[in-house]
Amino acid sequence: QKEVEQNSGPLSVPEGAIASLNCTYSDRGSQSFFWYRQYSGKSPELIMSIYSNGDKEDGRFTAQLNKASQYVSLLIRDSQPSDSATYLCAVIDSSYKLIFGSGTRLLVRP
Amino acid sequence: DGGITQSPKYLFRKEGQNVTLSCEQNLNHDAMYWYRQDPGQGLRLIYYSQIVNDFQKGDIAEGYSVSREKKESFPLTVTSAQKNPTAFYLCASRYGSGNQPQHFGDGTRLSIL
Repeated sequence: QKEVEQNSGPLSVPEGAIASLNCTYSDRGSQSFFWYRQYSGKSPELIMSIYSNGDKEDGRFTAQLNKASQYVSLLIRDSQPSDSATYLCAVIDSSYKLIFGSGTRLLVRP
Repeated sequence: DGGITQSPKYLFRKEGQNVTLSCEQNLNHDAMYWYRQDPGQGLRLIYYSQIVNDFQKGDIAEGYSVSREKKESFPLTVTSAQKNPTAFYLCASRYGSGNQPQHFGDGTRLSIL
């Protein structure tokens, strides 16, 4: 069974800090990696895509991918209370199936 | 505006009743998906369709049925055989190749009366 693992949290950080969210996956042949943000009671919203090793930055968000370690992370700089949400890691595996982790809940304290 | 529209936003099902959730997209996406999300849980795939008139079962298809008669539409029927239907149902679509991300509608929350 191919898996995507995330710590359920909550991860609590003070406003202005860097939040670091982590995800590991079991299928070494995985192709593409995504981070979705889901506010309570709402649907997931795509915030980052990453396809190759290294870092990808978009505003306050940085996605990091290490295929050798089967590890993908999301850094949120200058965290704001409005960033409080559940962050879902999603991975397209070697059979082109999108697999979601169960999400990490982030709380940003004012 | 382009997007994925799910309706209704809230739906109540009586015992023994079938209900149908609507999903329409005007993004010209080929692939469409239905997921179920239970409180505090991740997303579980119910059914998906890569092209019109073709669809495949996902991980939890029992008690559900779908059709894909038009590219824009992928309705999900929750049948009376689904004994625990209370959940948040999410429709998604994807453009292009299998490496592209999926985008979600706003969801339908289904409860039992």
